[in-house]
Amino acid sequence: GAVVSQHPSRVICKSGTSVKIECRSLDFQATTMFWYRQFPKKSLMLMATSNEGSKATYEQGVEKDKFLINHASLTLSTLTVTSAHPEDSSFYICSARDGAASAFFGQGTRLTVV
Amino acid sequence: SQQGEEDPQALSIQEGENATMNCSYKTSINNLQWYRQNSGRGLVHLILIRSNEREKHSGRLRVTLDTSKKSSSLLITASRAADTASYFCAPRGNSGNTPLVFGKGTRLSVIA
Repeated sequence: GAVVSQHPSRVICKSGTSVKIECRSLDFQATTMFWYRQFPKKSLMLMATSNEGSKATYEQGVEKDKFLINHASLTLSTLTVTSAHPEDSSFYICSARDGAASAFFGQGTRLTVV
Repeated sequence: SQQGEEDPQALSIQEGENATMNCSYKTSINNLQWYRQNSGRGLVHLILIRSNEREKHSGRLRVTLDTSKKSSSLLITASRAADTASYFCAPRGNSGNTPLVFGKGTRLSVIA
């Protein structure tokens, strides 16, 4: 199946700093990517839909100024957690579809804000 | 977007036994997909079954779909410790490139 690569897999940052997470589709072009957040032993919560060349669409309750999404090319979307706080600590996962019905997911990024 | 609801929330079995997980959904679908998530990892696509299919096999996986009952089941035969993971279903309608929405999943523990 198609490959989606997410980087970094783990990051620890100080409170108040910003962290950028990259999501790449390695062998296909993705005009749309999706960002999810997952708390321990919970399901994935959709945060936003990333659209290549246009603004992201955020789900209700997700702060767009807090979670900046940039989808500058057909193979790369980035999520920047700005001015991170301990409550932003979570597991973030991206997803993309290769034009077929199935979606493919990145390996996830474990963010810890200290 | 549609969301499936998995049942049971947790399942613990011995290695070699079969594991059955169920998924219910509320609206009509074009297909339904099952995913696996190992702890601390991303989701892995397991199998897709289309609305006009009733059963599909892939290795030790068997998926059934009953559109009249709006339900699907995932059977893992001869389970292994490596099958320990959370399993999610994702029903999809006909609307284009919409995101998958997930329920709480079934946490499967296979004990060696």
